[in-house]
Amino acid sequence: QKEVEQDPGPLSVPEGAIVSLNCTYSNSAFQYFMWYRQYSRKGPELLMYTYSSGNKEDGRFTAQVDKSSKYISLFIRDSQPSDSATYLCALMGSGTYKYIFGTGTRLKVLA
Amino acid sequence: KAGVTQTPRYLIKTRGQQVTLSCSPISGHRSVSWYQQTPGQGLQFLFEYFSETQRNKGNFPGRFSGRQFSNSRSEMNVSTLELGDSALYLCASSRTGGAMNTEAFFGQGTRLTVV
Repeated sequence: QKEVEQDPGPLSVPEGAIVSLNCTYSNSAFQYFMWYRQYSRKGPELLMYTYSSGNKEDGRFTAQVDKSSKYISLFIRDSQPSDSATYLCALMGSGTYKYIFGTGTRLKVLA
Repeated sequence: KAGVTQTPRYLIKTRGQQVTLSCSPISGHRSVSWYQQTPGQGLQFLFEYFSETQRNKGNFPGRFSGRQFSNSRSEMNVSTLELGDSALYLCASSRTGGAMNTEAFFGQGTRLTVV
């Protein structure tokens, strides 16, 4: 079993839809959680970072962490065609200095 | 504020050769991590450096090595290249790399093709 599971998609939604992207993990030692967006042939771009259970909002993006269920989510409101990209979750345990990445979910927002 | 700079952006090498990739982190960031990204395996951790010391290493053969200089710039080296080493190599920098201030910012990557 992989440490981090993420549905690879592709996920296609109409413009304006609410998108829900998810990762599950097995190691309760993970304490830091990030979401990245990666466009084709580019490096990953940091979207959200959190280190506690609960919600964190930034514009159209909301990151949700449920440590008891080992489940993290990224919600995108009012999705735009420019949101079409691969979304990666990344998790780190304290003192390990390395992130474990999900495989990424390909999202396509249709105009 | 300048981002993470990786050079070169593209490389084509022959099997058996060696290659050195460079990464300049964001000013003030002292932690540099390296990741290999392939379609089949996704992003896999290679190693992390902080203040010229390697603090963690991923499950890669000894052909993969790295170092960090006093100005926090980092290099990674791959010796005796194999076809399977073809990948996008990504460098990420953060202030400390662990605990707080651990958000990591990535460069554009170096795309290595081994033929």
